[in-house]
Amino acid sequence: GAGVSQSPSNKVTEKGKDVELRCDPISGHTALYWYRQSLGQGLEFLIYFQGNSAPDKSGLPSDRFSAERTGGSVSTLTIQRTQQEDSAVYLCASSLRRQGAGGANVLTFGAGSRLTVL
Amino acid sequence: DAKTTQPPSMDCAEGRAANLPCNHSTISGNEYVYWYRQIHSQGPQYIIHGLKNNETNEMASLIITEDRKSSTLILPHATLRDTAVYYCIVRVAMYSGGGADGLTFGKGTHLIIQP
Repeated sequence: GAGVSQSPSNKVTEKGKDVELRCDPISGHTALYWYRQSLGQGLEFLIYFQGNSAPDKSGLPSDRFSAERTGGSVSTLTIQRTQQEDSAVYLCASSLRRQGAGGANVLTFGAGSRLTVL
Repeated sequence: DAKTTQPPSMDCAEGRAANLPCNHSTISGNEYVYWYRQIHSQGPQYIIHGLKNNETNEMASLIITEDRKSSTLILPHATLRDTAVYYCIVRVAMYSGGGADGLTFGKGTHLIIQP
């Protein structure tokens, strides 16, 4: 597609429910990133996928968070047993970066999924 | 990655040039300087990047000092739509694997364009 697409754009859920957030990166982009941004805060890195390599999960805040990337394209971020502190905008980005490559790495972001946990 | 320092906020009159400074005194030779901006309720948007030389594109100019310890993003004719948080980020050029090759966003500069 022309840009990074995220869905849903808004999600309101009750505490304790599971949620899934979807990211459709730019076609051909091998690298995919998830960030989250709490109200009034900066971006917090969550997880990174690069081609067929094992993902870097070092930013995931707890084991309630997980993500998959199927077929090297679409990614799903899953939050189990949501808590109120999970309320944030979840941003996905993709880039052309390939493993072993140098040079600049320009990320293209989606519009985000705003999650509100009541 | 080298740490960056930016003023928390700046004002600029519409139609004037907006000059946003960034200090990155610990930058190493293989780190790029990137600028992104985030307009309210949107995802961050790439603006420009550079390594050593000054750069210009349709959005902005990037001036990097000779010692590379600071840079300035210039929006030549600011409009109200340029009101946003501007992030200056430095990141190593070569991806060697084994770790996230993304960008670390700080607090940025909230640029407010005044009519």
